[in-house]
Amino acid sequence: NAGVTQTPKFRILKIGQSMTLQCTQDMNHNYMYWYRQDPGMGLKLIYYSVGAGITDKGEVPNGYNVSRSTTEDFPLRLELAAPSQTSVYFCASSYGGLRETQYFGPGTRLLVL
Amino acid sequence: DAKTTQPPSMDCAEGRAANLPCNHSTISGNEYVYWYRQIHSQGPQYIIHGLKNNETNEMASLIITEDRKSSTLILPHATLRDTAVYYCIVRPRDNYGQNFVFGPGTRLSVLP
Repeated sequence: NAGVTQTPKFRILKIGQSMTLQCTQDMNHNYMYWYRQDPGMGLKLIYYSVGAGITDKGEVPNGYNVSRSTTEDFPLRLELAAPSQTSVYFCASSYGGLRETQYFGPGTRLLVL
Repeated sequence: DAKTTQPPSMDCAEGRAANLPCNHSTISGNEYVYWYRQIHSQGPQYIIHGLKNNETNEMASLIITEDRKSSTLILPHATLRDTAVYYCIVRPRDNYGQNFVFGPGTRLSVLP
């Protein structure tokens, strides 16, 4: 199993541009998550999904959108990039239930100039 | 807002046990304590979790106090590769319960 994969690894965007961060998992997990991590800080939850077709906001959803059309994929969309969105983005997945463990991808480093 | 408090940094000598404390005085009865770590620039890695009993796996041991208000993660024989930020997380009890709140964690430096 590849686990959780993310693309791209690194991207530079200009202010106002848009892009989609890709996340795929091959563990047949129901739950998927997007976090951002600013330098020296902990992770903050952006959006999560409990299954295909179901998504919900996390702690910091403004400026982002998500969709979950399949169990495997959970893309994160930035519509109008802003410098405040410069961060490292981590996707994670878990099987589900009260005692689930989250498995993280390697991250996407985004720089907005 | 994080429900745990951890020291910002700790040092440990290579080969010695690393004991990382965590306070979670407001933990509820059905909330678990999870530990993750993040090695520089990588995604967080699950270590261990527990409810009230002590737990051990191939990576670490988790000791939870009887009143459940604090816990300690123990790496029995720390190596240089254990240098990382360690996060103690208490899982919130909302209906979905999906949010893992990662605070700033403890930066563990294993010294040769």
